[in-house]
Amino acid sequence: QVQLVESGGGLVKPGGSLRLSCAASAIKFNDYYMGWIRQAPGKGPEYIAYISGSGGTIFYADSVRGRFTVSRDNTKKSLYLQMNSLRAEDTAVYYCARDRPQECSGVGCYVGLQYWGQGTLVTVSS
Amino acid sequence: DIQLTQSPSFLSASVGDRVTITCRASRGISTFLAWYQQKPGKAPKLLIYVASTLQSGVPSRFSGSGSGTEFTLTISGLQPEDIATYYCQQLNSYPPGSFGQGTKLEIK
Repeated sequence: QVQLVESGGGLVKPGGSLRLSCAASAIKFNDYYMGWIRQAPGKGPEYIAYISGSGGTIFYADSVRGRFTVSRDNTKKSLYLQMNSLRAEDTAVYYCARDRPQECSGVGCYVGLQYWGQGTLVTVSS
Repeated sequence: DIQLTQSPSFLSASVGDRVTITCRASRGISTFLAWYQQKPGKAPKLLIYVASTLQSGVPSRFSGSGSGTEFTLTISGLQPEDIATYYCQQLNSYPPGSFGQGTKLEIK
């Protein structure tokens, strides 16, 4: 059974930093794009960062570009999100999720986010 | 960016009812749309992808349809365990796969 487990959330002051981790198991980790999706209290999900299986393709939402850095270590089956210059509006539950296969064609590229972690809460407040 | 608008935002229905949720895209996205169910304190769960394909393990009372700019999620025979918030996500202009604002479903 595929399992994704996030860690690293907590309370941080505005302007501070946090590093989130996501450990994967029972998955051919490097065969998949992985993503970070956050959800502010009472709001819908927001896809904020995305990295290909090889790490060669990376995307950031405008809301985090220049402040957050996504990375992965395929040998450890782990995904990371370095968050700097945190703001109050970054307060949310942060989820990692397995995205599309690195190699896909047709419908196989549009399968959605099939596996999610349980989420880790990040609170930015003074 | 593609915007997704869900309606209604809130829905109250009785056990056994047929429930329909609509998701409209700001421009055509073919059938590249997914639906998720989220229960309080839990991560979203994928129900349907490419508009109408049921994810493995999802009960057959859930179905999806649509293409272009208008999509629907239907629950045929609402069950108490279906109480949740439902989100659509577009997969056409990707990344990012933007989400709708959600439809909260409650039992009447």
